[in-house]
Amino acid sequence: KQEVTQIPAALSVPEGENLVLNCSFTDSAIYNLQWFRQDPGKGLTSLLLIQSSQREQTSGRLNASLDKSSGRSTLYIAASQPGDSATYLCAVTRETSGSRLTFGEGTQLTVNP
Amino acid sequence: SQTIHQWPATLVQPVGSPLSLECTVEGTSNPNLYWYRQAAGRGLQLLFYSIGIDQISSEVPQNLSASRPQDRQFILSSKKLLLSDSGFYLCAWRPDRVYGYTFGSGTRLTVV
Repeated sequence: KQEVTQIPAALSVPEGENLVLNCSFTDSAIYNLQWFRQDPGKGLTSLLLIQSSQREQTSGRLNASLDKSSGRSTLYIAASQPGDSATYLCAVTRETSGSRLTFGEGTQLTVNP
Repeated sequence: SQTIHQWPATLVQPVGSPLSLECTVEGTSNPNLYWYRQAAGRGLQLLFYSIGIDQISSEVPQNLSASRPQDRQFILSSKKLLLSDSGFYLCAWRPDRVYGYTFGSGTRLTVV
């Protein structure tokens, strides 16, 4: 059974700091990995999708890496802003069609002005 | 462009009442559709997924059911709500496994 763990559970940083969120998964037979952002009381917003054959993806100040063999992914946020405050979730998809996302518990990020 | 609609946004229902949550996707055909629940202080739990009309898989035996009467419509139902059904319900879709998931804005259900 796939298990996804995110560390840390919560993180508070001053504005402008670069930070790294960690995600690990137990079964390396994934098809892809997706990072989401969730604001309080809201749905999930997709940030980055990494296929299993890829090593990283970038979007603006965000960079996600994937090491499938070791079961790890990181989300790097450069020059953090108060608007980045949210819960960040990583999720993996198994190598079968129609299969579900398995989510981590999330990292709650607070960026202080 | 593809969009996903989910309604209602908020719902307060008494115990024992029925439930119907609707999700529709526009701008695509034959999407894979999903219902997730996020209970307070807990992670996201997959409830149902569908790869086609009338093709629905249940992940967790419970008080809920799902139907897909049309290609781009996914409905979550219950005949009699329990207090434990309270939570944040999210619908999601993706074209196929190569693509990422897109989530709706969610329905906050409170059973009283």
